[in-house]
Amino acid sequence: QKEVEQNSGPLSVPEGAIASLNCTYSDRGSQSFFWYRQYSGKSPELIMSIYSNGDKEDGRFTAQLNKASQYVSLLIRDSQPSDSATYLCAVHRGNQFYFGTGTSLTVIP
Amino acid sequence: DAGVIQSPRHEVTEMGQEVTLRCKPISGHDYLFWYRQTMMRGLELLIYFNNNVPIDDSGMPEDRFSAKMPNASFSTLKIQPSEPRDSAVYFCASSDYNSPLHFGNGTRLTVT
Repeated sequence: QKEVEQNSGPLSVPEGAIASLNCTYSDRGSQSFFWYRQYSGKSPELIMSIYSNGDKEDGRFTAQLNKASQYVSLLIRDSQPSDSATYLCAVHRGNQFYFGTGTSLTVIP
Repeated sequence: DAGVIQSPRHEVTEMGQEVTLRCKPISGHDYLFWYRQTMMRGLELLIYFNNNVPIDDSGMPEDRFSAKMPNASFSTLKIQPSEPRDSAVYFCASSDYNSPLHFGNGTRLTVT
């Protein structure tokens, strides 16, 4: 079983819609959870961190964590074409970071 | 802070040549990670250091790969001899304990 699993997509949403990205992790000892955005040809960029159960909002982004279900999600409200990218879910456990394979998101104007 | 700095940005070399990738982590970060990213395999951890000491190198694909961190502000990843299957983007990243990972801009390696 992989440490972190994501639906690879591709996910397409119309401009202005809500994009929902999901991630599950296998180890209950995982401590911290992150979402990275990666544009084509660029490096991963941190967009959200979440450490406790519940929701965390930052602008148009909301991260949700449910440790009982071992589930992390990212909602992007009012999606813009500039949000088109690959989104990587990462889990921090011990001294290591474990990454999913990423979900490709396309926002259609 | 300038962030994690990697060099070179692009490297094109012939099979059999030695390749050295360089990284300067964010000042004060005591963890440094080397990743490799390909379309097929995604982001793979090669090795990570804590306080300049290699902690886990189980991701290093074979003996052709080696990494060093002679001091807190510099690390190298060396491939000798290089092979076409080593072509990938190599990222260096750093963090402080329990803080997020910050990536450099990466080195795109092409081995012909």
